[in-house]
Amino acid sequence: KQEVTQIPAALSVPEGENLVLNCSFTDSAIYNLQWFRQDPGKGLTSLLLIQSSQREQTSGRLNASLDKSSGRSTLYIAASQPGDSATYLCAVSLQGAQKLVFGQGTRLTINP
Amino acid sequence: GAGVSQSPRYKVAKRGQDVALRCDPISGHVSLFWYQQALGQGPEFLTYFQNEAQLDKSGLPSDRFFAERPEGSVSTLKIQRTQQEDSAVYLCASSFLSNTEAFFGQGTRLTVV
Repeated sequence: KQEVTQIPAALSVPEGENLVLNCSFTDSAIYNLQWFRQDPGKGLTSLLLIQSSQREQTSGRLNASLDKSSGRSTLYIAASQPGDSATYLCAVSLQGAQKLVFGQGTRLTINP
Repeated sequence: GAGVSQSPRYKVAKRGQDVALRCDPISGHVSLFWYQQALGQGPEFLTYFQNEAQLDKSGLPSDRFFAERPEGSVSTLKIQRTQQEDSAVYLCASSFLSNTEAFFGQGTRLTVV
């Protein structure tokens, strides 16, 4: 059974810092990995999707990497801003199945 | 539409009441998913449709939960005889094809009292 773990569960940093969020998964037979952002009381906003054949994806200040063999992904946020405060979720799409398996999320707070 | 739309946004139900939650996916998206999210947790898969066919319902927690997508577009998640443990946010997602980028709605927060 695929399990996804995100560390840390919560993170608080001053504005302007670069930071890394971690995601690990137990079964490397994934189709892709997706990072989402969730604001309080809201749905999920897709940030980046990495196909299993890719090593990284970039969008603005965000960079996501994928090491399928070790079952790890990282989300790098450069020059953090208070508006980046949210819960960040990673999810893997399984080969042979269409559902996403989510981690529990990292609650990020950027302090002005 | 521009995004995935869910209604109602909030629903309070008395224990034992039946509820119906609606999802309007992005136009043209073949795949539609329902997830359940408990407070402080990541979403958990409930069921998956490809067009009107329900191909995976392995995540539905009991036979009180039922989902349909009769015309391959709008979907309804129905919960019969609601119980307190059904209180959660129910998220709908759609994607153009299976295993492509998933787009989520705002969710319906169900509270059973």
